Amino acid sequence: AQKITQTQPGMFVQEKEAVTLDCTYDTSDPSYGLFWYKQPSSGEMIFLIYQGSYDQQNATEGRYSLNFQKARKSANLVISASQLGDSAMYFCAMRDGAGGTSYGKLTFGQGTILTVHP
Amino acid sequence: GAGVSQSPRYKVAKRGQDVALRCDPISGHVSLFWYQQALGQGPEFLTYFQNEAQLDKSGLPSDRFFAERPEGSVSTLKIQRTQQEDSAVYLCASSFLDILNYGYTFGSGTRLTVV
Repeated sequence: AQKITQTQPGMFVQEKEAVTLDCTYDTSDPSYGLFWYKQPSSGEMIFLIYQGSYDQQNATEGRYSLNFQKARKSANLVISASQLGDSAMYFCAMRDGAGGTSYGKLTFGQGTILTVHP
Repeated sequence: GAGVSQSPRYKVAKRGQDVALRCDPISGHVSLFWYQQALGQGPEFLTYFQNEAQLDKSGLPSDRFFAERPEGSVSTLKIQRTQQEDSAVYLCASSFLDILNYGYTFGSGTRLTVV
């Protein structure tokens, strides 16, 4: 069974500083994908970044980067130059290999609430 | 439409009442998922459709929950005889292809409160 663990219920960061949100995962599937989503108070899930299990390079998308350590089964999100609008709930999620009976459904962690202080 | 649309945005139901939640995915999206998100928790998988076929309903918590997607586009999640533990945000997500690195688009969810 797949499992995603986010051990930080809440994080605080000063505006313009960088912050790392932790995520560890467990799966027996050699092929999987890791996602980070942002959920503001309005409720929608906003896709931030994706990392495939076979990707050689760490994923980057603007101010977001993913620190992927496959042997340690961790996929931490790094947000550089934090902005007040980054305050939200952040979820790490895993999608196992498509096909078979999995259908690529996402398994989510518990989330981390990020608060950016001015 | 441009995004995944869910309605109603908010629903208050009396315990024992039946409710129907609607999801209108992005046109042409083959895959459709329903998730349940309890307050302060991560979303949990309920069910999956590939076009009109419901291929996985293993996450539905009880036989009071029923989902359909009869024409392969709009989907309805129905909850019969609602209970207080059904209070949650119900999220719908759609995807064009069932490929590992292809992302989902989520709707804004329906917040169900059972009183």
